Amino acid sequence: KQEVTQIPAALSVPEGENLVLNCSFTDSAIYNLQWFRQDPGKGLTSLLLIQSSQREQTSGRLNASLDKSSGRSTLYIAASQPGDSATYLCAVPGRSNYQLIWGAGTKLIIKP
Amino acid sequence: GAGVSQSPRYKVAKRGQDVALRCDPISGHVSLFWYQQALGQGPEFLTYFQNEAQLDKSGLPSDRFFAERPEGSVSTLKIQRTQQEDSAVYLCASSLGAGVIGDTQYFGPGTRLTVL
Repeated sequence: KQEVTQIPAALSVPEGENLVLNCSFTDSAIYNLQWFRQDPGKGLTSLLLIQSSQREQTSGRLNASLDKSSGRSTLYIAASQPGDSATYLCAVPGRSNYQLIWGAGTKLIIKP
Repeated sequence: GAGVSQSPRYKVAKRGQDVALRCDPISGHVSLFWYQQALGQGPEFLTYFQNEAQLDKSGLPSDRFFAERPEGSVSTLKIQRTQQEDSAVYLCASSLGAGVIGDTQYFGPGTRLTVL
């Protein structure tokens, strides 16, 4: 059974720092991995999707990497800003194409 | 509307009451998903619709939970005889394709259900 773990559960850093969020999964036979952002009361927003054949994806100050063999993905946020404060979740497909298996998330606070 | 909407945003129910949660997906989206998210946890899959057909309800935790999408657009998640363990945020998502791997799911803001 696929399990997704995110470490740390919470992170507080000063504005401007670069930071890394971690996601690990137990079954390396995944089609892709997604990173989402969740803001209180605003649902989830997809940030990046990495296909299994890719090693990384970039969008602005965000860079996500994928190492299937080790069952790990990282989300790198450069030059963090207070507006980056949110909970970041990673998810991989489950037993069906449409099911997503989620980590519990990392709650990120960027201090001005 | 531009996105997925859900109503009500907040619902407080007494134990034993029935509740109905509504989801309006993005117009034209074939797939619709319901998730349950407990405090401090990631979402957990409840059920999946492709148009009006409920293709997967394996995540529904008990027979007190029922979902429908009769005309292939709006969906309702109904919980009968609510229990305290049903307290959670219920998220709805829709996607354009029919069960396509990697198809972006667009999420609504969720309904926070509190059962007293």
